[in-house]
Amino acid sequence: GNSVTQMEGPVTLSEEAFLTINCTYTATGYPSLFWYVQYPGEGLQLLLKATKADDKGSNKGFEATYRKETTSFHLEKGSVQVSDSAVYFCALRRGTGNQFYFGTGTSLTVIP
Amino acid sequence: EAQVTQNPRYLITVTGKKLTVTCSQNMNHEYMSWYRQDPGLGLRQIYYSMNVEVTDKGDVPEGYKVSRKEKRNFPLILESPSPNQTSLYFCASSWGAANEKLFFGSGTQLSVL
Repeated sequence: GNSVTQMEGPVTLSEEAFLTINCTYTATGYPSLFWYVQYPGEGLQLLLKATKADDKGSNKGFEATYRKETTSFHLEKGSVQVSDSAVYFCALRRGTGNQFYFGTGTSLTVIP
Repeated sequence: EAQVTQNPRYLITVTGKKLTVTCSQNMNHEYMSWYRQDPGLGLRQIYYSMNVEVTDKGDVPEGYKVSRKEKRNFPLILESPSPNQTSLYFCASSWGAANEKLFFGSGTQLSVL
């Protein structure tokens, strides 16, 4: 079947620390992969995406590379800010279907 | 402005009293879907729709109904709500291609007493 497994939280970091949130997936076919971010009291919004193997998605200093050999899509940022505090969701969309599959979310708190 | 609008934002009801949560998008998207978000479980898909009059079950459809009579609207219906349906609900829409992202509404916090 199709599923996404992501790192358990919560994660607490100091400002300017390096961030990694692990995400691995199981999927049939060739899915597209996404990271979504949810700020308090809001809906999810797209952070970045990658649609084929070895693609790198990037946005606002965040990056993730689609690794087919390890079925992973880890989220990284070199220097986090307080404003990055949010819940991050890894997700996949099947290549031949239209269902989305989300991970359980990782809560990040960045302290000054 | 491109958006997904769902209403109401907050809803408190009692067991067994039918309710509808509305969802509308102004982007002419073919694909629409409903999710519930619960602590520790992330987002789980309830129903989705590929286009008008085309709907399909997601992972947790029990106790819910949907309809897609117009392209822009995709209401979620709870015929007889129960306390285990207390949750945060999100509507989302997208173009149909597999590499397209979802646009989310702001959410509906439902409490069933």
